Amino acid sequence: ETEVTQSPATLSVSPGEGATLSCRASQSVGDNIAWYQQKRGQAPRLLIYSASTRATGIPARFSGSGSGTEFTLTISSLQSEDFAVYYCQQYDNWPPGVTFGQGTRLEIK
Amino acid sequence: QVQLQESGPGLVKPSETLSLTCAVSTYSISSGYYWGWVRQPPGKGLEWIGSYFHSGFTYYSPSLESRVTISADTSKNHLSLRLTSVTAADTAVYYCARQITGWYFDYWGQGTLVTVSS
Repeated sequence: ETEVTQSPATLSVSPGEGATLSCRASQSVGDNIAWYQQKRGQAPRLLIYSASTRATGIPARFSGSGSGTEFTLTISSLQSEDFAVYYCQQYDNWPPGVTFGQGTRLEIK
Repeated sequence: QVQLQESGPGLVKPSETLSLTCAVSTYSISSGYYWGWVRQPPGKGLEWIGSYFHSGFTYYSPSLESRVTISADTSKNHLSLRLTSVTAADTAVYYCARQITGWYFDYWGQGTLVTVSS
């Protein structure tokens, strides 16, 4: 089972600035990575899938990159609504399975 | 817009079986896509439980496989989750979600909190 590790655990950024969140897989996962945003009391929201494809309705300030074992979610010009917890998720092709990272909390500086 | 709604008992006793239902609206689960269950213990991260394929195949997390069953009732257009022999560690918000491109979750239910306690 592939593990994914996110860093940092907490990131403090001022509104208007950019943020870079990292996700590392324990073995190559190709581009089988997604990113989710979760606000308190809400279900997760899919932002990015296949490492770099924005989901429907996601603003262009969210972008994903990487392949293999190293992945990045970049949020340019942070808005107040972007402060939340972000999770990366990978899947294994065989046997099929899903694992989530432990999350990065993005907080207002 | 696909809508999912979880329902079931909010309190389950230790050693008993947790049973949840996920009602899917505006899309027939027998028409395609995969459908999954994910849980989140209070204050913690997300954990995949398992997934149901419209063809009837199911795949489960290795850590839960011995206790979990996911099924579907296509006549009612809903999914079911059964988790046996629960302990306090199974206390969590349980979500059902649709999967796209195989293994990404694009539509989620609002989640339902299940507490395991005597």
